[in-house]
Amino acid sequence: GESVGLHLPTLSVQEGDNSIINCAYSNSASDYFIWYKQESGKGPQFIIDIRSNMDKRQGQRVTVLLNKTVKHHSLQIAATQPGDSAVYFCAERGDTGRRALTFGSGTRLQVQP
Amino acid sequence: GAGVSQSPRYKVAKRGQDVALRCDPISGHVSLFWYQQALGQGPEFLTYFQNEAQLDKSGLPSDRFFAERPEGSVSTLKIQRTQQEDSAVYLCASSLGQGNEKLFFGSGTQLSVL
Repeated sequence: GESVGLHLPTLSVQEGDNSIINCAYSNSASDYFIWYKQESGKGPQFIIDIRSNMDKRQGQRVTVLLNKTVKHHSLQIAATQPGDSAVYFCAERGDTGRRALTFGSGTRLQVQP
Repeated sequence: GAGVSQSPRYKVAKRGQDVALRCDPISGHVSLFWYQQALGQGPEFLTYFQNEAQLDKSGLPSDRFFAERPEGSVSTLKIQRTQQEDSAVYLCASSLGQGNEKLFFGSGTQLSVL
């Protein structure tokens, strides 16, 4: 299949290092935030989500931090592995009356062995 | 089924041809979404169903795009008189609904209009 994100911002890290991917949002009414991983030729795969009443949420090797004051959230991946190489998208739900998620433009993570 | 299934995986159409893209959501998922993803970009919302009701079609780019989910399960996205700018990956996603917004995506249909 076609590659996803040929001209995306790229974060390059060494295997074993921690990765941080940032996402800014503009809609102060957004109440739900979510991160997806997309590998070439595949659909987005859920990683982790967080609601606006929380500041931090942890999963397996992943953490999402939400700062509503500056309208920013970040995905942290601990001990990054080659299998983490992919394009990462943040998304938000901006209006409780609208169920659809709005996606950002994505960041390519490259893990160097 | 284990996940969201989309078919065909690839579709090549001549400009002006009509196409139909199919989505089988996860069994029991109330909500179904269609997104369009251009090369190098994030998915863009097209339309949303809750069971058989199409509650939001604000993202459909023109009246050439039509989606249906007649029995609240399988959905079809139809594009009439395809144009080159319709070339993209069309992603289907489903969720449990009822406050559970976590979307599960299929692998998409890659549409190329020549």
